[in-house]
Amino acid sequence: NAGVTQTPKFQVLKTGQSMTLQCAQDMNHNSMYWYRQDPGMGLRLIYYSASEGTTDKGEVPNGYNVSRLNKREFSLRLESAAPSQTSVYFCASRTGTSGNTEAFFGQGTRLTVV
Amino acid sequence: EDQVTQSPEALRLQEGESSSLNCSYTVSGLRGLFWYRQDPGKGPEFLFTLYSAGEEKEKERLKATLTKKESFLHITAPKPEDSATYLCAVRTNFGNEKLTFGTGTRLTIIP
Repeated sequence: NAGVTQTPKFQVLKTGQSMTLQCAQDMNHNSMYWYRQDPGMGLRLIYYSASEGTTDKGEVPNGYNVSRLNKREFSLRLESAAPSQTSVYFCASRTGTSGNTEAFFGQGTRLTVV
Repeated sequence: EDQVTQSPEALRLQEGESSSLNCSYTVSGLRGLFWYRQDPGKGPEFLFTLYSAGEEKEKERLKATLTKKESFLHITAPKPEDSATYLCAVRTNFGNEKLTFGTGTRLTIIP
């Protein structure tokens, strides 16, 4: 069982470059999320998708865009990368249909913007 | 605004020395409190969900408890493989899709 798969695992960008972080889950989950993790800040929600075809802003959406390509895939795009976006990015998913279910996380993408 | 505070930031224990990690929260309408374990370079791994005050859950050497203001993760006779960062998160009635995380406790078990 792959669970939640993120690509790439590592990336270095120059300021102003763009890139897309990919995420796919094979658990048939409805809800998918993008978080960033910074030292001393905890995990913070960037964007989420409660179901296929919908996306909503989280706590720190500025500078990012997302696409829920289908039920399995949820991508995060940085249009013009800034050093402040240096972070570790995690994708997560959960069933989200009923109850208070836990989220499952991918292994993360470590992004450095120079 | 929902707040989650974990203490201590870091904890070093000898193998077999039991202790507790604390997660205090201030939220409007707790829907669930989650504990995760995170190893270096990896994503958080789910441990427990607690829904209401008085609830307890156990898994191997770990036991999680919940009151109206805080949760404890008790570690009994820990082993070196229990070394990790332990994260606490809450989901509320008003931010249903959002998990608010604490900054974690970095636990080191010394053989």
